[in-house]
Amino acid sequence: KQEVTQIPAALSVPEGENLVLNCSFTDSAIYNLQWFRQDPGKGLTSLLLIQSSQREQTSGRLNASLDKSSGRSTLYIAASQPGDSATYLCAVETGANNLFFGTGTRLTVIP
Amino acid sequence: GAVVSQHPSWVICKSGTSVKIECRSLDFQATTMFWYRQFPKQSLMLMATSNEGSKATYEQGVEKDKFLINHASLTLSTLTVTSAHPEDSSFYICSAGRQGYQETQYFGPGTRLLVL
Repeated sequence: KQEVTQIPAALSVPEGENLVLNCSFTDSAIYNLQWFRQDPGKGLTSLLLIQSSQREQTSGRLNASLDKSSGRSTLYIAASQPGDSATYLCAVETGANNLFFGTGTRLTVIP
Repeated sequence: GAVVSQHPSWVICKSGTSVKIECRSLDFQATTMFWYRQFPKQSLMLMATSNEGSKATYEQGVEKDKFLINHASLTLSTLTVTSAHPEDSSFYICSAGRQGYQETQYFGPGTRLLVL
């Protein structure tokens, strides 16, 4: 069974710092990996989707990488802002649209 | 604990018919439920947020008259795809926010809809 782990569980950084969130998964047979943002009490917002054949995706200050063979993905956030404070979730999709979510990293960017 | 179920897991229907998908929180009370859909090779996208006893809030671009959401109790939300067309074929997933745990969502296993 696929297991997805995110480290760290919580992270606090001062505004302006660059940071990296980590996601690991146990079964490398995935279709894609997605990074989401979740604000308190809100639904998930999709940030980046990396297909299994891709190594990275970029959107603005966000860059996500995927190393399928080692079962790892990172989400890099450049020049962090207080508005980036949220919980970040990664999820891997396996066959038949099975989605496995990590437990998330709660990010706090301190002004 | 914190299990969310969806029914049915698979549904195939003819174009023009309506399909109802149920989302249940089995062992907790869900004040908020979320509905998502995912088209092949695309990201999971939020469709709407429903709170028990009130009207759902729909995301931009989602037709509220086509995707009827009813959150009648703290353990049940339904999504009805009215007059379904082939372009509505997708994977629909619900999640439930657990009362008192605002940042935790529990996801259902999803419903695959195929409209012929």
